[in-house]
Amino acid sequence: QITLKESGPTLVKPTETLTLTCAVSGFSVSTNGVGVAWIRQPPGKALEWLAVIYWNDGKYYSPLLRSRLTITKDTSGNQVALTVTYMQSVDTATYYCARIHGSSSAFDFWGQGTKVTVSS
Amino acid sequence: DIQMTQSPSSLSASVGDRVTITCRASQNINRHLIWYQQKPGKAPKLLIYSTSNLQSGVPSRFSGSGSGTAFTLTINNLQPEDFATYYCQQSSTTPLTFGGGTKVEI
Repeated sequence: QITLKESGPTLVKPTETLTLTCAVSGFSVSTNGVGVAWIRQPPGKALEWLAVIYWNDGKYYSPLLRSRLTITKDTSGNQVALTVTYMQSVDTATYYCARIHGSSSAFDFWGQGTKVTVSS
Repeated sequence: DIQMTQSPSSLSASVGDRVTITCRASQNINRHLIWYQQKPGKAPKLLIYSTSNLQSGVPSRFSGSGSGTAFTLTINNLQPEDFATYYCQQSSTTPLTFGGGTKVEI
């Protein structure tokens, strides 16, 4: 059974750095063709892709947020982390991690999401 | 970046209806188009990938078509559990981009 679960703070202050972790089970983050991505959704708004890291450590970022994002994977712990620096109120959102499979390039499994609020 | 535009942004329908949602890409994405369904408070669910391939377990009343820049998601015989928001996403190139969503309401 494939599951992904996000964890991290629910509240951060403006200018702080957010670090989220996605714990994966049922597949390895090192499996050929597989990637894990982060997607966020502000309240009442559409989905926004942030970053993806692939099995071969290839990384891609949203150009709008490139300077503030870092995605990494821990092969031994089978998890993926996302760091977002200089958080602002506009970054308030539910953050999802999702598996992207190379054959379809679709997000076929998603975590439940973690809601992050930016407020002083 | 490739912009994805969905229409309509919302629609009202009844159980048993046929519903069509359109997604347009700002440039040619061939058939690299994906559809998701999202219910309130839940993560999106993959419905269709590569324009017309139904994800395992998705009912056959869902179908997708199109190529290039114009795509459609069709739901035949709308069921109560289909009332949700639907998003398209292009997987042709990074940055991966989503449409603004279409809310299907009663």
